[in-house]
Parts: sequence; structure tokens; C-alpha cells
Amino acid sequence: ETGVTQTPRHLVMGMTNKKSLKCEQHLGHNAMYWYKQSAKKPLELMFVYSLEERVENNSVPSRFSPECPNSSHLFLHLHTLQPEDSALYLCASSQDAGNEKLFFGSGTQLSVL
Amino acid sequence: GENVEQHPSTLSVQEGDSAVIKCTYSDSASNYFPWYKQELGKRPQLIIDIRSNVGEKKDQRIAVTLNKTAKHFSLHITETQPEDSAVYFCAATLSGAGSYQLTFGKGTKLSVIP
Repeated sequence: ETGVTQTPRHLVMGMTNKKSLKCEQHLGHNAMYWYKQSAKKPLELMFVYSLEERVENNSVPSRFSPECPNSSHLFLHLHTLQPEDSALYLCASSQDAGNEKLFFGSGTQLSVL
Repeated sequence: GENVEQHPSTLSVQEGDSAVIKCTYSDSASNYFPWYKQELGKRPQLIIDIRSNVGEKKDQRIAVTLNKTAKHFSLHITETQPEDSAVYFCAATLSGAGSYQLTFGKGTKLSVIP
């Protein structure tokens, strides 16, 4: 499969659960991103990885923990989330870190009960 | 930091009419302005972008204009079709300066009525 693939597409979790979101890109890009999309709010950048090194962390609560084992894979580990964390979590990649021409995945719709 | 305002939040047009979405930005140093389209239940996709050294850019029925003095840029869609119905996001950033903060607007939901 080409492009950026995210799994799962939908996730429902309780506040005490631990879950992980997965992203894989098949574009040969060097940078990967996590964005949060909430209703009626702008897309919020959470984390940026360039060549597997985290280069940006936008004051995201520690209950969100990213992991980038290689330039093709990105994870977002979730634990003790709050209901206000319910949102669409989008992964994206670009040729290099610098934001131009982002390629997004289809997202994981997360509901925290 | 950069702040991007986008208007309107919703827009309905008749098929065949034109649609215009406007964005303003606050940081005069920003030099790269992309537009993304997100159809219902799908991923955002880049549809057109413009750099600060250009005033206008066209791609078939889509055009973007930039006014650096006023710090605003606009998306123009002509001869709208039902498949143009989606949420459109503008964004702004200072590209190439080691900054990764692409600031997005809140989005405009465009509905094209057949």
C-alpha cells in the first residue's frame, strides 16, 4: 500500500486503559508528525520527528508518548487519557522536516470514556 | 507565534458558481501558505500552495492569491462542482528556517448544491 497508513481507524478506551496508535509511511520521507484534530478547532501539531529524532514537542501532556523506531513508522502511546482527549489523531509525513507538502493518513478517531 | 484566521466557517454555493475563502495571518515573516482539502471521513490533502515571492497561482479551477502587505491570502474555486464539497484549511509558516510549526486556520466547510 502506498501513502500514509494509520491503524486503528477507530478506538474507544477508558481513562485507565493503555493503547497505541500506529502510523506507517511508504513514501520514503524523512519526517513524520502527529496532529490532533478537534471539532471547530485548528489542526494542532503535537510532535515532529526528523530521521527518527524528535525535533518538536508542542507542550503535549505526558499521557501522550510518541515513538519513532525508524523513518517509516511512528507510534503514539496513550495512557490515562481524559475525555477531552477525544479527537481525530492524524499522522503525516513530509520529505524533510519543515512542514511543506504534508501527506496525511486517514486518522484514528479516538473516544475516551 | 503565528495566528491564522479563516473565514467564513461555512459556505454554500450553487453548482457552477464561484467560492472564495479568505485567511489572514499575523507573522509578516511567514513565507509559505498551503491549502488543504478534507472530504468527509477522509484525510486532508494538499491542493495548492503559494510562496511569498508570488502574488497568484492557478491550477485549473483553483487559484490562490496572496497580499503580503495586508497579510491575507485567499482560495478561489471557479465553476464549483459537487465533488468540491469538503472542509478547506489554510495554513501559514516560515519555511526553511528550522521551524516545524505549520499554523492552520479553523477550516471552512464548503457545500456545493447541485
